[in-house]
Amino acid sequence: EPEVTQTPSHQVTQMGQEVILRCVPISNHLYFYWYRQILGQKVEFLVSFYNNEISEKSEIFDDQFSVERPDGSNFTLKIRSTKLEDSAMYFCASSELGIAGHGYTFGSGTRLTVV
Amino acid sequence: AQSVTQLDSQVPVFEEAPVELRCNYSSSVSVYLFWYVQYPNQGLQLLLKYLSGSTLVESINGFEAEFNKSQTSFHLRKPSVHISDTAEYFCAVSGGPSQGNLIFGKGTKLSVKP
Repeated sequence: EPEVTQTPSHQVTQMGQEVILRCVPISNHLYFYWYRQILGQKVEFLVSFYNNEISEKSEIFDDQFSVERPDGSNFTLKIRSTKLEDSAMYFCASSELGIAGHGYTFGSGTRLTVV
Repeated sequence: AQSVTQLDSQVPVFEEAPVELRCNYSSSVSVYLFWYVQYPNQGLQLLLKYLSGSTLVESINGFEAEFNKSQTSFHLRKPSVHISDTAEYFCAVSGGPSQGNLIFGKGTKLSVKP
């Protein structure tokens, strides 16, 4: 069964450093998403991406965050200058139709720890 | 704005016992409702969903959930759990046909003991 692949599974970074989280969506999917879950809290929507541009973003997704599809297969989330509060599990997801009712396929997540 | 509340953060239960994981939502518009499951070291997997029609929806592994509009609930149930059902379960809502993003609850960790 097709999978969404996220790398790395764990990343530790120093506060103020830039990090790039990588995702390979399912090949025929056109809609891509990032969610995050701070330990003990809800899974929160960050951003959706379609046709090489952001289609929707939450208030969490401020100027420190950016997304890119650099090569037609990868979908990346960059955090420009990490803060302690960015420590979380980050989930990538992709969708064929871009409608939540049809379900997403999620990756297994990247645990980011900012020290 | 929509929100989802999962009242129980952890539910321990013995094998073969019944279980109910509670989910309540708030929304001013019609919603789609979902349960996702996360097994250890894996991604979120869709367990079941309510879009329209019958208010009782079932998964292939014996879970079911009932949409109750008057109580704004979508509780997940299984009459007899297995050790392999140990996982974290997330209730989620989306705002309808044109909505792409999901709003999740905090999750409930189901721990099935022998």
